[in-house]
Amino acid sequence: AQSVTQLDSQVPVFEEAPVELRCNYSSSVSVYLFWYVQYPNQGLQLLLKYLSGSTLVESINGFEAEFNKSQTSFHLRKPSVHISDTAEYFCAVSEGLTSYGKLTFGQGTILTVHP
Amino acid sequence: GAVVSQHPSRVICKSGTSVKIECRSLDFQATTMFWYRQFPKKSLMLMATSNEGSKATYEQGVEKDKFLINHASLTLSTLTVTSAHPEDSSFYICSATYGGMNTEAFFGQGTRLTVV
Repeated sequence: AQSVTQLDSQVPVFEEAPVELRCNYSSSVSVYLFWYVQYPNQGLQLLLKYLSGSTLVESINGFEAEFNKSQTSFHLRKPSVHISDTAEYFCAVSEGLTSYGKLTFGQGTILTVHP
Repeated sequence: GAVVSQHPSRVICKSGTSVKIECRSLDFQATTMFWYRQFPKKSLMLMATSNEGSKATYEQGVEKDKFLINHASLTLSTLTVTSAHPEDSSFYICSATYGGMNTEAFFGQGTRLTVV
């Protein structure tokens, strides 16, 4: 069985500062990796995903994450955050090839961007 | 992208009654749907996996008779919380996939259930 650990439950940061949200996983098989964002009282929105190929993946709003197999990590980064990035972020994994869509989530990290 | 709609977004029910939550894929055929529960300040926990036309597969610790899941068509799955109690109050979220190796899950907006 796989598990996901998000090392920070809350991350406060000032606007235009860089941010990193950490995610580590464990699994006995190959995995797909995801970051989801949840705004208050809303469902989850996919931010970015790693399925295969380049280990650095990017989202359309400036976030990026790098899959590091040796460190079993998939940290999320953004070089300059905006107020609108304030939300809760979830890292998730699914076991590749057989369990697409069935996700194991981390505990979530609340990102709060201050002016 | 694919759209998944969940209804209702909020529901309040009395203890002992049952409540049904619908999850619809609006623009694709969802071969598989998943139901998650999110406790306050905690992560989402998978409750069950539902394949169209077959019985749902429940995760360990989830009561099948309490959380009835039906996936009668390729665009609709329902979760019925039977004989609800205050401890069932939670945020329930569904997701749907259309299958395939690299298919992502598309999430509904969630349902906030409050049992009073």
